[in-house]
This record gives sequence, structure tokens and C-alpha cells, in this order.
Amino acid sequence: GENVEQHPSTLSVQEGDSAVIKCTYSDSASNYFPWYKQELGKRPQLIIDIRSNVGEKKDQRIAVTLNKTAKHFSLHITETQPEDSAVYFCAAREGDTDKLIFGTGTRLQVFP
Amino acid sequence: DAGVIQSPRHEVTEMGQEVTLRCKPISGHDYLFWYRQTMMRGLELLIYFNNNVPIDDSGMPEDRFSAKMPNASFSTLKIQPSEPRDSAVYFCASSPGMAGELFFGEGSRLTVL
Repeated sequence: GENVEQHPSTLSVQEGDSAVIKCTYSDSASNYFPWYKQELGKRPQLIIDIRSNVGEKKDQRIAVTLNKTAKHFSLHITETQPEDSAVYFCAAREGDTDKLIFGTGTRLQVFP
Repeated sequence: DAGVIQSPRHEVTEMGQEVTLRCKPISGHDYLFWYRQTMMRGLELLIYFNNNVPIDDSGMPEDRFSAKMPNASFSTLKIQPSEPRDSAVYFCASSPGMAGELFFGEGSRLTVL
């Protein structure tokens, strides 16, 4: 089955700096890679996703890149703000199934 | 739509007791997922349903765990008997289709003493 690894587990940045979170996956048949943001005590919510026929996708200050050959994908947040502080989870859909397998999460702290 | 609704939000029980967690998915969503979240293991998929039918329960940790979806608007996750290591936040999520966005409920925080 699919295995998703995520790094780093914690990340601290100064407001205005960029943050990068990286994930690797094991199932070469995976074709859907979403990112979820979970604020303290809240539910995870989708912030951006990418499918395997695309190498990069941007939405304002966030972007995701995908390298299918290397089986890794990354989340990039530019011009970070204190409200970006949260736990971010990457995920991969396993093969042709509907199973979404999550990484272990990255706790991002943005200091003013 | 009110979103995915879970109950109870918090449950404290003693080891050996039966625990039942409930979920009402978003109307019209064909998929329902149960995840467990812990600090050590993150978000683990326990089981998911498509059109009320269990598709994959390989993530259910033991026979003590069971899940049902008797109709399109209701699902339960039951733990019997509960153990302290079951303490976690249990999330229910629904999705409108394959590779669609997961809409999570607020979660049920379970503490087993």
C-alpha cells in the first residue's frame, strides 16, 4: 500500500519568509496529491491539490510542485503571515483506490 | 449545508466500556471515511464506505473496532471494549466522489482512562 513521508515535522519561520514542506510517496500509481491545513483544535481543511498530469499549481501565496519520477511533492508558502501557523498534512491517493493516505504532518510556526 | 456532523465532541470513559461515535455526512456525498488522529501516528485511515458499503477496513486496528453505515446519512464507529491506547481524536469525513475533496467533521476526542 501507499506510504507517505513528510518533512520537516516542525518548521519555524519569520513573518514574510518562505516555508517549504516536502513529502515523498511510495506508490507509483498514485495520481492525486492534496494538502490540508489544520489549525489548533480545528478540523483539517483542503488548501490546494495537484494531479499527476501537472507539475506545478499556484494559488496566491501557496504553490505545490510534483515530481512523479522522484515520487515527491512539495508545498511552498511565500510571504508567510502569523495566520499561516498551523499543522500541514500532505496526502496521496493510493493507486486506483479512493484511499487518501496522509503524511504525519508539519507544525509551522510563523513569528511576527 | 451544516457540513459533516460528529457526536459526541468529547468522550471520557473507562477502560472496558463500549464507545460509539456518530457521523452525519454532507447530503449527496457518496464517500465516508473514518480517520484516527494521534500525535505519534498522525491521521490514520480506519475504514471507508462508498454508497453505504464498506470498501476497505484494512486500517481498523483490531476486532474491537467496528463501523457501520446503515443509510446514506448516518455512520457509527464502535469500540468494544475500549482501551487507553484508543485515546485519540476520531474524524469522520465525506467526499462527493473519487479523488474529491474530503470534508472533515469537527472530530470526536476520546479519552479512555
